[in-house]
Amino acid sequence: RKEVEQDPGPFNVPEGATVAFNCTYSNSASQSFFWYRQDCRKEPKLLMSVYSSGNEDGRFTAQLNRASQYISLLIRDSKLSDSATYLCVVNKNSGGYQKVTFGIGTKLQVIP
Amino acid sequence: DGGITQSPKYLFRKEGQNVTLSCEQNLNHDAMYWYRQDPGQGLRLIYYSQIVNDFQKGDIAEGYSVSREKKESFPLTVTSAQKNPTAFYLCASSQQGAETQYFGPGTRLLVL
Repeated sequence: RKEVEQDPGPFNVPEGATVAFNCTYSNSASQSFFWYRQDCRKEPKLLMSVYSSGNEDGRFTAQLNRASQYISLLIRDSKLSDSATYLCVVNKNSGGYQKVTFGIGTKLQVIP
Repeated sequence: DGGITQSPKYLFRKEGQNVTLSCEQNLNHDAMYWYRQDPGQGLRLIYYSQIVNDFQKGDIAEGYSVSREKKESFPLTVTSAQKNPTAFYLCASSQQGAETQYFGPGTRLLVL
């Protein structure tokens, strides 16, 4: 089983739709969680951190469920500019070093 | 402007040739990382360095070498021993012990 699993998609949604992605992780000792956004042929950029209490930033909401070992990302009122690949990232402190594991990413295509 | 730069943007390697990818950061970050990204796979860690003159192998270090002579610089050499070098190479940095990594724009390596 992969340490971090994501549905690669693509998710094709119309403008204005709400879309949600999930990501599961296998290591219960994982400590911190993030969503990164990666545009085609570009580097990943931090989108937001994920907390058990939830984290909202404008149209984006991230949630962590430690009991079920998954994190989610909800995008409301999708814009064309939201089209990108969204990477789930899981961190674990390993001897003072942050061991970072990336999911393969979920591709979102927002269509007019 | 503070950030991470990688050069070149595209690099072509001939059979049996060693090539070196540059990564420079002026963020005053202690830790630096090299990842490789292939289609359908998450980012995989090649090498990382938490401090000058020290570096550790990641998950896929075979066929690669690095050096960390200066805090700002972490070059990666792809040796002839790396039999499948075609990929998108991403350099990242972070504050020591910090959870968030910042990425450079990447180098695409292609084999002639």
